[in-house]
Amino acid sequence: NAGVTQTPKFQVLKTGQSMTLQCAQDMNHNSMYWYRQDPGMGLRLIYYSASEGTTDKGEVPNGYNVSRLNKREFSLRLESAAPSQTSVYFCASSPYANQNTGELFFGEGSRLTVL
Amino acid sequence: AQSVAQPEDQVNVAEGNPLTVKCTYSVSGNPYLFWYVQYPNRGLQFLLKYITGDNLVKGSYGFEAEFNKSQTSFHLKKPSALVSDSALYFCAVRDLISSGSARQLTFGSGTQLTVLP
Repeated sequence: NAGVTQTPKFQVLKTGQSMTLQCAQDMNHNSMYWYRQDPGMGLRLIYYSASEGTTDKGEVPNGYNVSRLNKREFSLRLESAAPSQTSVYFCASSPYANQNTGELFFGEGSRLTVL
Repeated sequence: AQSVAQPEDQVNVAEGNPLTVKCTYSVSGNPYLFWYVQYPNRGLQFLLKYITGDNLVKGSYGFEAEFNKSQTSFHLKKPSALVSDSALYFCAVRDLISSGSARQLTFGSGTQLTVLP
């Protein structure tokens, strides 16, 4: 059982380049999330999708866009990468909207470096 | 607004000794509280949660956490630490009365636990 799968695992970009992080879950979960993890700051929510067809901004949405392609897939796009977006990005899913139970299932992360 | 604080960046404990990882929270209403663990180069894994009921919550791998409303704390504990418990631990909170993106989980900055053999 794969759970939450993220690609790519590693990526190096130059400032101004664009890229898309892909996320897919095979647990039939309704909600999906994108977080970034920076040292000493914990995880911060970028965007989330409470259900198929809906997306909402989280705490740090600037510089990012998302697409909930279908129930399984939730992608994160950087249109013009900046060094401040160097981070580890995590996709997560949950059976429930609004994280009522709080139990999220995380992917293994995508480490992005912007030069 | 909801927030959570983990006052210790690093906790070291000898194998076999009890361990405590501290967490305090701030919410407008009643909290939902959670602990997650992250092993190196992996995603976070859910350990346990407090929603309502008993103040002592038991979770995975022998961990437990004690909810203390008067001290607004939710400390993670284990009676006897193992070397394999060494990892990064995150506390998280959700405020029941928040709305919009604030309804989502807020994570603490994390505590690195090292269990020494």
